[in-house]
Parts: sequence; structure tokens; C-alpha cells
Amino acid sequence: SQTIHQWPATLVQPVGSPLSLECTVEGTSNPNLYWYRQAAGRGLQLLFYSVGIGQISSEVPQNLSASRPQDRQFILSSKKLLLSDSGFYLCALRGTEGSPLHFGNGTRLTVT
Amino acid sequence: QKEVEQDPGPLSVPEGAIVSLNCTYSNSAFQYFMWYRQYSRKGPELLMYTYSSGNKEDGRFTAQVDKSSKYISLFIRDSQPSDSATYLCAMRTYNTDKLIFGTGTRLQVFP
Repeated sequence: SQTIHQWPATLVQPVGSPLSLECTVEGTSNPNLYWYRQAAGRGLQLLFYSVGIGQISSEVPQNLSASRPQDRQFILSSKKLLLSDSGFYLCALRGTEGSPLHFGNGTRLTVT
Repeated sequence: QKEVEQDPGPLSVPEGAIVSLNCTYSNSAFQYFMWYRQYSRKGPELLMYTYSSGNKEDGRFTAQVDKSSKYISLFIRDSQPSDSATYLCAMRTYNTDKLIFGTGTRLQVFP
């Protein structure tokens, strides 16, 4: 079965510090991978998606970037965090064509 | 106007009640509809996945899609305290993976 690993579960970082969140998946090959952010009362916002190694599409221009160095690894980064980057970051995958998205358990980021 | 509207609740019901959760949408091109359940501090978990109009049943859960009214529902029968969570609707068109989510309805089932 497909499994999504995200770490850390919680993170507190000062404004201006860098960020690296990692997502790895198991039980699937060549999945589509996604980064979502969930803010209170605002639903899930798609940030980036990737259809393969090195292929990244950005949905929302902002202070974040994403990379996919391996088929089952997806990384979300920032060089300098802003207060507005606080939120719950979720990695998701879609396996086969037409199948629904499955989510990891997320990283709660607080920027202070 | 948001593409997908969902009442945030909270919705508080006694154990054993039938729960009705709803979303309305504006884009008539949406064809795939999903319901996710999200417990506090966890990622969303897929509950139901339906295509086009009609009903789909899975245990105590029934998903209903009315494309003519642009309205989807999730019914929970014999609700349990363990059903207490936030329920998110999501939908997409045929030719994209991009899901549009509702903001979620918080449900509390009390014993």
C-alpha cells in the first residue's frame, strides 16, 4: 500500500531562517506529488506539484520553492521564512491516472 | 464567489444521529468529487470518491452528487464519537489533478 512520510511533525522557526521539509513515499512508482498548505479557516491551498524527477510546477508565487531529486522524494524549501509562512504543510500523492489524492500527516510550521 | 462553499460549522450531534454535510460549487465542469475526513493535527484521509451524479455507499457513509444543482452531500448514519473530525469536500475537472477544496465542516458527536 502507498505510504507517505513527512517530518518533522512540528517545527518552530524564527523569521528569516531557512526551511527544508521532506516528503518521501513508498509503495508506488512515478507518482505525482503535491505540496499543500492549510491555514485555519481557509482550506487547502496547492503550492507545488511534480509529475516526475526535476519537474516542478508552482501554483502560487511566494517565498517557497520545491524540488524533486528522486522519484519518491519531494522537498519544500525556503531561504528566508516570513511570518505568513506559518501553517500546516501537507504532502500528497496520486498514484495511477484518475486515482484520488492521498495525504501525509503533515508538518505544522510556526514562524516566530 | 468561491468555487466551492462549505459551512464551517461546528455541527454538534448526539451519538446515533444521522449527519448531513454539504458543499455547493459554481464550476459546472467539476466531474470528480471527494470527501476527506481530517482529525486534529493529522492529514486528510480519503472517505469517498465519486464520479458524476448519483449516490455511492460505503458502510455508514453515503456520498450524493447532484450536478444539476451543483450540490454534493455526505451522510453519516449511526454517528459515533469517533466520527468527530473536520470533513472536507474536494472536486476537480476531468483533465486536471488540481483539487479545489471546501474550507471544511467541523463535526462533533457527543455520547
